Amino acid sequence: NAGVTQTPKFQVLKTGQSMTLQCAQDMNHEYMSWYRQDPGMGLRLIHYSVGAGITDQGEVPNGYNVSRSTTEDFPLRLLSAAPSQTSVYFCASSGSQGAFFGQGTRLTVV
Amino acid sequence: LAKTTQPISMDSYEGQEVNITCSHNNIATNDYITWYQQFPSQGPRFIIQGYKTKVTNEVASLFIPADRKSSTLSLPRVSLSDTAVYYCLVGDFIDNYGQNFVFGPGTRLSVLP
Repeated sequence: NAGVTQTPKFQVLKTGQSMTLQCAQDMNHEYMSWYRQDPGMGLRLIHYSVGAGITDQGEVPNGYNVSRSTTEDFPLRLLSAAPSQTSVYFCASSGSQGAFFGQGTRLTVV
Repeated sequence: LAKTTQPISMDSYEGQEVNITCSHNNIATNDYITWYQQFPSQGPRFIIQGYKTKVTNEVASLFIPADRKSSTLSLPRVSLSDTAVYYCLVGDFIDNYGQNFVFGPGTRLSVLP
C-alpha cells in the first residue's frame, strides 16, 4: 500500500517556467489537498479537493492551479514560476482516519 | 476553525516523559483534536486523535479535560528519534475529513542524550 506518492522529489526551475507536481493516492479518499512549507514554518494550504471534479482555494492559491479528474490524482500546476515559490510542497489525502501526507517535493526557483 | 496555541520549542533528555500542551479555547462541539509529527524533509505523520478524556496508542497518550479548551500530548520515555516538530490541529475531521487543516508553527521538540 503506497499511500500518497509525490513526484518529483526535487526540482529546480528558472523564473517563468511552468511545471506540474504530481500526487497520487491509493486509499480511495475523496479529500485531497496541497500545502507548501517554508523554512521554519508550518504548512499553508494552497488548494484542496473534496472529490473528483471539485476543487477550491486555500490560504495561498495565487500562482497555482489544480484539477481533479480522478479520485486518485491531484496534480498541482505552477503557471509561471517565481522565486517566492521556492518551498517544499506536500500533498495530503484525508479520510476518517486522518490525513496522510506524501514525502514532499523540494522546489527551487532561480 | 479553532485556533491553536502551543509552545514554539521544548527540550528534553532521553528517557524522560514529555508533555506538550495545546490551547484551543474556541473548539466547536464537532471538533476533534489531532496531533501530527514531522521529521525534517518528511511530511507530517498522524500520531493520535481524540475527542474527550484520554486516548492512548502505542506511540503516545492524549489527555483532554472536560471543557476541551486544551489538550496535552504525552510522549513516554522519549528517545533521540523523537526529535521532531509536533503539530496540534483542531477540526471536524470525522465528517469533513480535515477540510482546511490549519497548521501553526508547531512545537519543535529536541531530545538530548
